[in-house]
Amino acid sequence: EAGVVQSPRYKIIEKKQPVAFWCNPISGHNTLYWYRQNLGQGPELLIRYENEEAVDDSQLPKDRFSAERLKGVDSTLKIQPAELGDSAVYLCASGGSGINEQFFGPGTRLTVL
Amino acid sequence: GQSLEQPSEVTAVEGAIVQINCTYQTSGFYGLSWYQQHDGGAPTFLSYNGLDGLEETGRFSSFLSRSDSYGYLLIQELQMKDSASYFCAVRNSGNTPLVFGKGTRLSVIA
Repeated sequence: EAGVVQSPRYKIIEKKQPVAFWCNPISGHNTLYWYRQNLGQGPELLIRYENEEAVDDSQLPKDRFSAERLKGVDSTLKIQPAELGDSAVYLCASGGSGINEQFFGPGTRLTVL
Repeated sequence: GQSLEQPSEVTAVEGAIVQINCTYQTSGFYGLSWYQQHDGGAPTFLSYNGLDGLEETGRFSSFLSRSDSYGYLLIQELQMKDSASYFCAVRNSGNTPLVFGKGTRLSVIA
């Protein structure tokens, strides 16, 4: 069974440029999460989807970040414009109903110059 | 809000046993999870405690005391490959996301 797929794995951009990350969760998983992980820290939730509905986006900086999960399967997280402080690893995770375990993708390491 | 405290670094000898503690403060509590993350890798699930007591999975065990808001991860027969960061995470309810601690970096030495 394929795990959570993310692309790209690495991205280097200049500040003020846009960037997008893509995630395909494990088949059948209704819940999808986007986390941001800074160096030496734990993952911090940005947004959680139940199917196509964003049910928890209180930590998403909505002035520059946006996300979508149009058909309740794969998802895209966008930053526009990027700032130096956005340099981090962006992790996608998925889980099924009633499952305590979250399955993480390999992440996208973003460097903003 | 929620807060979790765990040691930032732990060093242990190959073959030995190590315990990584986690204390938490949450407005609600649904369970305590542990994740392992190697450098440059994805966090991977190790264990979950919803009730007080010890859960064992091979060399990894996790303990929870809800009355003390405390848990720990125990790793036995340490191997070099266990060198990684370990995160405890809590959930307020069954329908809320995990909140992660800052992680404990475990170094296993020969």
